[in-house]
Amino acid sequence: AQSVTQLDSHVSVSEGTPVLLRCNYSSSYSPSLFWYVQHPNKGLQLLLKYTSAATLVKGINGFEAEFKKSETSFHLTKPSAHMSDAAEYFCVVSNTNAGKSTFGDGTTLTVKP
Amino acid sequence: EAQVTQNPRYLITVTGKKLTVTCSQNMNHEYMSWYRQDPGLGLRQIYYSMNVEVTDKGDVPEGYKVSRKEKRNFPLILESPSPNQTSLYFCASSQGAGQGWYEQYFGPGTRLTVT
Repeated sequence: AQSVTQLDSHVSVSEGTPVLLRCNYSSSYSPSLFWYVQHPNKGLQLLLKYTSAATLVKGINGFEAEFKKSETSFHLTKPSAHMSDAAEYFCVVSNTNAGKSTFGDGTTLTVKP
Repeated sequence: EAQVTQNPRYLITVTGKKLTVTCSQNMNHEYMSWYRQDPGLGLRQIYYSMNVEVTDKGDVPEGYKVSRKEKRNFPLILESPSPNQTSLYFCASSQGAGQGWYEQYFGPGTRLTVT
C-alpha cells in the first residue's frame, strides 16, 4: 500500500522569498518519488524525481527536493520564488515493480509581487 | 515530437450514452495509465497497463473499461456514463520501471461533462 500527504493545500509567498512545499509519503516498497507542476489550464510537467540515487534531487527552474527516509518526507524547495512559479504542485509516489501511482491532493502556490 | 495525444479534448454527453476517449503515444512506452482530476482530490488513477494485453485497476476503476491491443494506444471506455464521471481526464505514458520508475508524460487532458 502507498499514500501521499501534501501538508498544505495552499501556500502563499512573496516574489523573491523561499518556497517550501511539504510532502510525506508511505510505501511498502522502495518508492520512486516525483514532483509535477500544473499551470492553470495546462497539462502536467515533471519538476524532478527521486529513484534511489542521490537523496538531494535538483530539478528544473531552480527547484530541488530532499528524500528523507527516516522522516518519510520529500519536501520541495526553491530559494527565490518567481511570479511564473504560481501553479499547482503534485507530489507522487510510485512503487518499483508495480504500476500504481498515487498523487497527493496538490498544493496551490500563490506568488505575490 | 514526442507526445501523448487524447481525443476528444472536450466532450459533453448524456447519462447512459457509451463513449470512448482515445489515447495514443509515439514514444514506444510500455506503461500507460488513465487518471481523473477533480478539484481538491489531485489525480486519481483509474487503470494502468504495463504492456500490450496487460491491464490492472487503479484506485477508482468503477464505471470504466480499458483495453491495450496495441502498444501505442490505450482507450478509456465509459459504457454507461453518469454525472459523477464528470471530470478532467489525463492519459499518461512512461518507459516503466528500471532501478526506479521513469517519469510519466501526460496528454493535454479531456474535459468530460455528463448531464
